[in-house]
Amino acid sequence: DTAVSQTPKYLVTQMGNDKSIKCEQNLGHDTMYWYKQDSKKFLKIMFSYNNKELIINETVPNRFSPKSPDKAHLNLHINSLELGDSAVYFCASSQRGGNQPQHFGDGTRLSIL
Amino acid sequence: AQSVAQPEDQVKVAEGNPLTVKCTYSVSGNPYLFWYVQYPNRGLQFLLKYITGDNLVKGSYGFEAEFNKSQTSFHLKKPSALVSDSALYFCAVRPDSSYKLIFGSGTRLLVRP
Repeated sequence: DTAVSQTPKYLVTQMGNDKSIKCEQNLGHDTMYWYKQDSKKFLKIMFSYNNKELIINETVPNRFSPKSPDKAHLNLHINSLELGDSAVYFCASSQRGGNQPQHFGDGTRLSIL
Repeated sequence: AQSVAQPEDQVKVAEGNPLTVKCTYSVSGNPYLFWYVQYPNRGLQFLLKYITGDNLVKGSYGFEAEFNKSQTSFHLKKPSALVSDSALYFCAVRPDSSYKLIFGSGTRLLVRP
């Protein structure tokens, strides 16, 4: 009964490859997010979708492309992986509204060789 | 630019003593304020939030936070620390005009037995 689940938990791959991370939430929330946490634990928003509509699109290389097939799922596809993409990627969800807390998945640790 | 500052990288306290983790922000308007905790290899967990009203907000696991509008601060407190409180704590601010949650850099809390 995990609320926000991400797969895979670990992803180790070569530079130049393309990979996807999947996220699903069963909380009935209508807003989902992708964050990147770097090696110094700094968290930065990448994207957010509300009811399948993109509402936040930060300055992120266009090698990163989010896809939301429905409001319970938000996937992240990364093309041509680079060494600097190594990080932990977190998915989160919330009800719409500025005062609503976000619920986070346990992260996907991406390591580029 | 809008920002959130957590001036201490690390806070060390003895078990049973009170703890304070500091947060100040520079955001226009009346933002929503949050605290999250992150345990190793886990996602962030919501602790508490300030919307409006009483300046002392109570949250999960005995934590509370004090909002001070004139000092633009939102410090996290607990009257009696537990060893199990040792974790990484993030302050976050959501401007009332934005969908984005802006995180501080995190403060590592170490509670000594």
